[in-house]
Amino acid sequence: DQQVKQNSPSLSVQEGRISILNCDYTNSMFDYFLWYKKYPAEGPTFLISISSIKDKNEDGRFTVFLNKSAKHLSLHIVPSQPGDSAVYFCAASANNAGNMLTFGGGTRLMVKP
Amino acid sequence: NAGVMQNPRHLVRRRGQEARLRCSPMKGHSHVYWYRQLPEEGLKFMVYLQKENIIDESGMPKERFSAEFPKEGPSILRIQQVVRGDSAAYFCASSRNSVSYEQYFGPGTRLTVT
Repeated sequence: DQQVKQNSPSLSVQEGRISILNCDYTNSMFDYFLWYKKYPAEGPTFLISISSIKDKNEDGRFTVFLNKSAKHLSLHIVPSQPGDSAVYFCAASANNAGNMLTFGGGTRLMVKP
Repeated sequence: NAGVMQNPRHLVRRRGQEARLRCSPMKGHSHVYWYRQLPEEGLKFMVYLQKENIIDESGMPKERFSAEFPKEGPSILRIQQVVRGDSAAYFCASSRNSVSYEQYFGPGTRLTVT
């Protein structure tokens, strides 16, 4: 039972354009959502997060949008850069489940120069 | 380097041997989490520990796996009598406290069972 899903295994974008990565969840108890970026042979790096009481959070080139009614969140990267090429994971946490993070399967982003 | 430290980075064990994976959290962090990533999959939660306490081990296999976070020293994930299916990347993360959702990850230990 996958509670967090990233339905696009890969995404290819031209440098300078917008990258949009999507994530869907099923557990209505999730109240905090995070995006991580992962390069090969490295650990995930925290990028940006959002609480369920908000619908948008922005940090530089990265913006996360949350649609609670649709149980959907997305990460926008604009403008995309070749160094953004990596696997992106969304993760969710429920305050009644301690601090355990539930991860999606990841989306591989390729930004072409 | 104030980041999460994990060692070894790569570990090769024969079936039946024991694997010990170590994790030192970020400075100032007292909460440690272990996750496992199988090939082409996302990370799966295994266990959440504070110093000398296991808070949540709901993701740990019932047999052969154990974890500890002693008062002094790193957190240890121990896998006894390893099997080929244990081959994976094991990541440790830490957070500052129980109300901090952001977890910061180490580089991982890649375990290969031959």
